[in-house]
Amino acid sequence: EDQVTQSPEALRLQEGESSSLNCSYTVSGLRGLFWYRQDPGKGPEFLFTLYSAGEEKEKERLKATLTKKESFLHITAPKPEDSATYLCAVQANTGGFKTIFGAGTRLFVKA
Amino acid sequence: GAGVSQSPSNKVTEKGKDVELRCDPISGHTALYWYRQSLGQGLEFLIYFQGNSAPDKSGLPSDRFSAERTGGSVSTLTIQRTQQEDSAVYLCASSFSAGVSETQYFGPGTRLLVL
Repeated sequence: EDQVTQSPEALRLQEGESSSLNCSYTVSGLRGLFWYRQDPGKGPEFLFTLYSAGEEKEKERLKATLTKKESFLHITAPKPEDSATYLCAVQANTGGFKTIFGAGTRLFVKA
Repeated sequence: GAGVSQSPSNKVTEKGKDVELRCDPISGHTALYWYRQSLGQGLEFLIYFQGNSAPDKSGLPSDRFSAERTGGSVSTLTIQRTQQEDSAVYLCASSFSAGVSETQYFGPGTRLLVL
């Protein structure tokens, strides 16, 4: 069964304290892995799509990387406005366009 | 340009009643997705449409749940004989087409509470 597991469930950082969020996945052939940001009371907002192991993408203070078993979202020198829930999701080659989400990591950045 | 809109934003209903949730996708988007998010949980896939057809209904939790899309635009998710465990945020997303490289844009969700 295709599955996505994110860790930690919650992460508290001081402003400027860099860290990484983990997304482990099990799929029958990866078509794509996605990272989203979700603010309270809102729908998820797209950040990145990664397609194959070794791929990396960056946007401002965020960098996403992908291996054959997991993805990391690296946050460099975070600011309080980076506080949100970060969701990881996958699409499998055999699953049509069904998107499977992890439970998310809640990030709190304190000034 | 308007984003994905959903209505109502909040719905409180009594156990056993039927509810209809509406999603208006971004104009020109042919793919539409429904998800459910329970408190503190990730998104649970329910169904997706390519045009008016639903190739994958595997995520619908039971036969009380149904969805339709007409005219390749608006979609309605119907829950019959609601149960307390149906309480959740129901999110809709649309993309230009159904493809892994196509970004899904999400609406703000409908918060459903079944008493």
